[in-house]
Amino acid sequence: KQEVTQIPAALSVPEGENLVLNCSFTDSAIYNLQWFRQDPGKGLTSLLLIQSSQREQTSGRLNASLDKSSGRSTLYIAASQPGDSATYLCAVEAGGSEKLVFGKGTKLTVNP
Amino acid sequence: DAGITQSPRHKVTETGTPVTLRCHQTENHRYMYWYRQDPGHGLRLIHYSYGVKDTDKGEVSDGYSVSRSKTEDFLLTLESATSSQTSVYFCAISESVTSGNTIYFGEGSWLTVV
Repeated sequence: KQEVTQIPAALSVPEGENLVLNCSFTDSAIYNLQWFRQDPGKGLTSLLLIQSSQREQTSGRLNASLDKSSGRSTLYIAASQPGDSATYLCAVEAGGSEKLVFGKGTKLTVNP
Repeated sequence: DAGITQSPRHKVTETGTPVTLRCHQTENHRYMYWYRQDPGHGLRLIHYSYGVKDTDKGEVSDGYSVSRSKTEDFLLTLESATSSQTSVYFCAISESVTSGNTIYFGEGSWLTVV
């Protein structure tokens, strides 16, 4: 059974810091991994999708890496801003199916 | 933004009553999903659909049923609501996640069972 763990559960940093969020998964037979952002009271918004053949993806100040063999991914946020405050979730497929399994998320607070 | 509409957005209902949540998409995506999100449990899949009249169970399907009679609509029904089904329900759509397509979420439906 695919299980996804995100550490830490919460993180508070001062504005301008670079930070790393971690995601691990138990079944390495995945097609891709996705990172999402969720603002309070809202749905999830896709940030980055890394296919299993890729090592990383970048979008602006965000960089996500994937080590499929070790079952790990990291989301790097450069020069954090208060507007980055949100919950960040990662997700992978369950057993190669179309069902996504989500981690419980990391709640990020960036203080001005 | 992906064209996903959930209705109702907020509902309060009594224990034992039936409740139906609707998800409507304008993207013509093949896959549609219903998730619930609860503190301490995160997002959990209830049911998903891979085509008209084709559905499958997720991790927490007990007490829920779904139907998809048209590509654009995916209904989630609580036959007899219980307090444990108080939650936020999210609909999602995708063309195919295993093919490298992302998944898009609706804004959520807040359900309170009293």
